[in-house]
Amino acid sequence: DTAVSQTPKYLVTQMGNDKSIKCEQNLGHDTMYWYKQDSKKFLKIMFSYNNKELIINETVPNRFSPKSPDKAHLNLHINSLELGDSAVYFCASSQADRSPLHFGNGTRLTVT
Amino acid sequence: AQTVTQSQPEMSVQEAETVTLSCTYDTSESDYYLFWYKQPPSRQMILVIRQEAYKQQNATENRFSVNFQKAAKSFSLKISDSQLGDAAMYFCAYRVHGSGNTGKLIFGQGTTLQVKP
Repeated sequence: DTAVSQTPKYLVTQMGNDKSIKCEQNLGHDTMYWYKQDSKKFLKIMFSYNNKELIINETVPNRFSPKSPDKAHLNLHINSLELGDSAVYFCASSQADRSPLHFGNGTRLTVT
Repeated sequence: AQTVTQSQPEMSVQEAETVTLSCTYDTSESDYYLFWYKQPPSRQMILVIRQEAYKQQNATENRFSVNFQKAAKSFSLKISDSQLGDAAMYFCAYRVHGSGNTGKLIFGQGTTLQVKP
């Protein structure tokens, strides 16, 4: 009965490859997010979707493309991976802007 | 732009003692929310406590309480009777209310809490 689930947990790949991370929430929330946690543990928002509509795009390179097929899913596709993309990526969801964010367990991406 | 600052990169506390983690933020908004999240080594992000800016009363959740000073833009977390399981990284976060931002969380840099037996 996991609330926000991301797959995979770990992703190791080479520079130049394309990869995807999937996220699903079963909380019935309207808004979903992608956050990036860098090597210094700093968390920064990348994207936000509300009812499948892109709301926030925080100056993320266009190699990163989120896709929301429905409000329960928000996937992240990354093209032409670079060493600097190595990080932990968190998916999150919330019902409204008064409620807290519920986070997935993160995907550790390592680019070699 | 809103910012959140946690000035203590690391803190330590003896088991069963009390510790306070500091957080300050900068905003011109009057309606917002503040949160503390805990991230243990398992890297889960766990909500510890939240505070609504329009509420004067400080939030409390069991051993966790906050000292919210709206005028000073300060939001510290007090952990009483510290337990070994409290060892984690703690993040202070701010969330604006209202259209246009749809509630994105802005995080501080985090404070690593060590609990000594």
